Amino acid sequence: QKEVEQDPGPLSVPEGAIVSLNCTYSNSAFQYFMWYRQYSRKGPELLMYTYSSGNKEDGRFTAQVDKSSKYISLFIRDSQPSDSATYLCASHTGGFKTIFGAGTRLFVKA
Amino acid sequence: ETGVTQSPTHLIKTRGQQVTLRCSSQSGHNTVSWYQQALGQGPQFIFQYYREEENGRGNFPPRFSGLQFPNYSSELNVNALELDDSALYLCASTRASGTGELFFGEGSRLTVL
Repeated sequence: QKEVEQDPGPLSVPEGAIVSLNCTYSNSAFQYFMWYRQYSRKGPELLMYTYSSGNKEDGRFTAQVDKSSKYISLFIRDSQPSDSATYLCASHTGGFKTIFGAGTRLFVKA
Repeated sequence: ETGVTQSPTHLIKTRGQQVTLRCSSQSGHNTVSWYQQALGQGPQFIFQYYREEENGRGNFPPRFSGLQFPNYSSELNVNALELDDSALYLCASTRASGTGELFFGEGSRLTVL
């Protein structure tokens, strides 16, 4: 079992839709949870960063962590074609090794 | 603020050869990590360097080795290349005193024939 599981998609939505991206994890020691966005042929860029359980909002993006169910979510409101990318969830324990999911490819159609 | 830069961006090698990839950390960051990203997969942790010493290693064989220099730049060396080494190699820097957010470069795409 992979430590972080993520549906690879692809996920295709119309412009303006609310997008829900999800991951599950198995390591109870994970304390830090991240979402990275990766455009084609580019390196990942940090989108959201959360410590422990709870919600964090930044503009059109909301990250949720539920440690009781080991579930990580990212919501994108009013999705735009420029949001088309691969979204990677990631976690670490506070140490040196960040574990990534396989990434979900998102396509937002104009 | 200068971001993470990597070189070369693309390279092609043949099986059995050796390769060196280079990375310059983001200014103010003293820790560098290397990740391997195969096509359609998430990045896999190779190792991390802090104060010129390997600080942690993932499940990669010894033919993957690295260096960190006093200016915090870094190298990834891979010996005896295999076809499965074909991937995007990502360098990421972070502050050792931070909470582990990774700042990635654009990557070096290695093709092994």
